Amino acid sequence: DAKTTQPPSMDCAEGRAANLPCNHSTISGNEYVYWYRQIHSQGPQYIIHGLKNNETNEMASLIITEDRKSSTLILPHATLRDTAVYYCIVRVAVGNEKLTFGTGTRLTIIP
Amino acid sequence: GAGVSQTPSNKVTEKGKYVELRCDPISGHTALYWYRQSLGQGPEFLIYFQGTGAADDSGLPNDRFFAVRPEGSVSTLKIQRTERGDSAVYLCASSPQVRSPDEQFFGPGTRLTVL
Repeated sequence: DAKTTQPPSMDCAEGRAANLPCNHSTISGNEYVYWYRQIHSQGPQYIIHGLKNNETNEMASLIITEDRKSSTLILPHATLRDTAVYYCIVRVAVGNEKLTFGTGTRLTIIP
Repeated sequence: GAGVSQTPSNKVTEKGKYVELRCDPISGHTALYWYRQSLGQGPEFLIYFQGTGAADDSGLPNDRFFAVRPEGSVSTLKIQRTERGDSAVYLCASSPQVRSPDEQFFGPGTRLTVL
């Protein structure tokens, strides 16, 4: 699986949009971009994934650049409960079921 | 519905002892995964089951680690002759489909401390 690079930490004011970047410059054409988050003392939680197009669900939006070498996870109206470590993962679509986590971005929402 | 459950939530043992960690996946999920998370690090893949068989055990660090899933549901991770370096949170996840890509649902983990 391709390697990802994320900033180690970020702060965001409560109620503002949190934009978390991820670089995956060696991504292959058959690799998806996944985002998970891990709230303190809990297991990771799936947020969203995408291949080429931008995606949106009830939790977040995922913006993938046209060359697919980077992406941004957007939490539109951050709350204190969004404080967590966010992991950007690239994963082969078929034949490789495991998730390869890096060290992620520790997002702190400031009241 | 019920999520992935793991027991015990905490386990303290002495160096050299044998431990078993249990994972109950979400009902009907055919895929089950074990990960290990050390302090300050992201989870690290250990093993993946599709049904009863281990489809990928490339992450098991050595032959002291073994996992089973005899009936394709509950899984047990077994660690022999525990070492202090085995101290970590052991996470289990399950997913419903064979086809990739697929969302994995994680349990809360078992915190293993080897004294």
